[in-house]
Amino acid sequence: AQSVTQLGSHVSVSEGALVLLRCNYSSSVPPYLFWYVQYPNQGLQLLLKYTSAATLVKGINGFEAEFKKSETSFHLTKPSAHMSDAAEYFCAVSDMVSGGGADGLTFGKGTHLIIQP
Amino acid sequence: NAGVTQTPKFQVLKTGQSMTLQCAQDMNHEYMSWYRQDPGMGLRLIHYSVGAGITDQGEVPNGYNVSRSTTEDFPLRLLSAAPSQTSVYFCASSYSIKGNTEAFFGQGTRLTVV
Repeated sequence: AQSVTQLGSHVSVSEGALVLLRCNYSSSVPPYLFWYVQYPNQGLQLLLKYTSAATLVKGINGFEAEFKKSETSFHLTKPSAHMSDAAEYFCAVSDMVSGGGADGLTFGKGTHLIIQP
Repeated sequence: NAGVTQTPKFQVLKTGQSMTLQCAQDMNHEYMSWYRQDPGMGLRLIHYSVGAGITDQGEVPNGYNVSRSTTEDFPLRLLSAAPSQTSVYFCASSYSIKGNTEAFFGQGTRLTVV
């Protein structure tokens, strides 16, 4: 069985400050890891994904995440927050057996990112 | 490029009523799923389908029914609505079950059961 823990249901940062959203996973097999973003009243869209090619993954809108196997973590970062980054962020895991498609994802509970002007 | 289209966007039901949430995708994806999103709970899988004529249960299937008669459509039926089914429902699709596959989501249906 696989699971995802996102630390902090709400994170508040000032505009221009570093964004750090934490995600820890558990999986009995090597995982695929994803970050999805949900803007207000929208569906989810893929921000970035880890598929074992490189431990540091770059995504859209200046976000990146680093896979650390020893820490079972996949934290999301952005060097400088922008007002448009305000959204809900979900970490998700899929194992290499069931896949990462629509039927194989396990989501964390989400982190609401608030950007202070 | 419509992607995944869900209708309706909003719906209010009375307890005991039934209804169907529609989901259609135009990307020729084999795999489709329904999730519900509740505050502080993330997304939980209700049902999924790996192709036309094939469906299976997810984490929270009780009170919901699905069918997949075509590749494009994957409707979700609420058999007898209950207040506990008040939620935001998302349909998703992907082209493959492979682990590195992106899931594409619709914009959601906000359902209130009174």
